[in-house]
Amino acid sequence: SQQGEEDPQALSIQEGENATMNCSYKTSINNLQWYRQNSGRGLVHLILIRSNEREKHSGRLRVTLDTSKKSSSLLITASRAADTASYFCATDDAGGTSYGKLTFGQGTILTVHP
Amino acid sequence: DGGITQSPKYLFRKEGQNVTLSCEQNLNHDAMYWYRQDPGQGLRLIYYSQIVNDFQKGDIAEGYSVSREKKESFPLTVTSAQKNPTAFYLCASSLRGGKNIQYFGAGTRLSVL
Repeated sequence: SQQGEEDPQALSIQEGENATMNCSYKTSINNLQWYRQNSGRGLVHLILIRSNEREKHSGRLRVTLDTSKKSSSLLITASRAADTASYFCATDDAGGTSYGKLTFGQGTILTVHP
Repeated sequence: DGGITQSPKYLFRKEGQNVTLSCEQNLNHDAMYWYRQDPGQGLRLIYYSQIVNDFQKGDIAEGYSVSREKKESFPLTVTSAQKNPTAFYLCASSLRGGKNIQYFGAGTRLSVL
């Protein structure tokens, strides 16, 4: 079963607005990552936040992590049409048998209208 | 030009046929992974390999096989036992023991004739 559940499943906004998507997970983690996928393409890593961090910034991206609630959010500020893509959270699960596996959420489809 | 190369981009399988998807990386990564993505879904792990000549089953390994004879290459065979093979297949690699940031190929779309 999928570790991560993302919310909303789809998000439609106008250029210049902020986009927020959320991810919940079930087990203890080493880190949580966000990836982007353009339609019909591979995934591209965006940002990683460690389990002992609460907030991380990279350009127009801001990620928060609340380990007590087992949840994370990704904020994209001042969105552009080029940000249109699917966004996935992925957890690097803590525990001796994880062997470097990532568990991906179902994704949020973001559409930014010009 | 560093990265992960998957081929072919599109592949068609006939009934009862085995097909092999290629994945090659020149990033000098130890770990490689195969995922399956169905429409509107997340990624599900098929097989992964942390080191040459060793690999482990992921969550949905039935009907698939892999080999890891070289560090650079991790081919995936979709066997005739996989009854629902139509999907988008993604290969990824990462540094072993690092932050486990994965680098993905462009994918192979497999369809059944």
